[in-house]
Amino acid sequence: GAVVSQHPSWVICKSGTSVKIECRSLDFQATTMFWYRQFPKQSLMLMATSNEGSKATYEQGVEKDKFLINHASLTLSTLTVTSAHPEDSSFYICSATRTEAFFGQGTRLTVV
Amino acid sequence: GEDVEQSLFLSVREGDSSVINCTYTDSSSTYLYWYKQEPGAGLQLLTYIFSNMDMKQDQRLTVLLNKKDKHLSLRIADTQTGDSAIYFCAETELNTGFQKLVFGTGTRLLVSP
Repeated sequence: GAVVSQHPSWVICKSGTSVKIECRSLDFQATTMFWYRQFPKQSLMLMATSNEGSKATYEQGVEKDKFLINHASLTLSTLTVTSAHPEDSSFYICSATRTEAFFGQGTRLTVV
Repeated sequence: GEDVEQSLFLSVREGDSSVINCTYTDSSSTYLYWYKQEPGAGLQLLTYIFSNMDMKQDQRLTVLLNKKDKHLSLRIADTQTGDSAIYFCAETELNTGFQKLVFGTGTRLLVSP
């Protein structure tokens, strides 16, 4: 089946720095990708819809300037957490849809 | 907005059947999904059902849909310790091109030997 690869799998960064997470569709082109955030023992919350060649669509309550999304090609979307703070620590998951939604393996971000 | 609810926890013995329940509020839902998440990992699609169906069976998995009550269930026959994980139901709609998923709260399944 289709594969979505997310990188890195985990990252630790200092407060105030920025972190970039990549989401790649390895064997299909994805005009739309989705970014989710998952808090411990909670469900996935859709953060934004990443559209190739245009601006991302953010869900209510998600700060656009905080979570920068770039979808520069049909196989790559990036999420940059800018000026990270400890409360941004979370598990971030991307997905890309062909006939069904395929999920990346997730990125665990810890901000210290 | 859409709301998808699940019970938080289920514990069963190996070999028993597990039934995980899900309720949703959006009557325009068209596809309903079950995903499995193992610790520290992404989501794996287990099965899905279209909203004009009542039941779908796939090996050890049986999905039942009661559209009138907006109730979805996943039955796992002969549950194994490897089935221990968090199970999410999710729904999507035609007006999002079947792409935007709304997830339930997740049910943690613990299978004991």
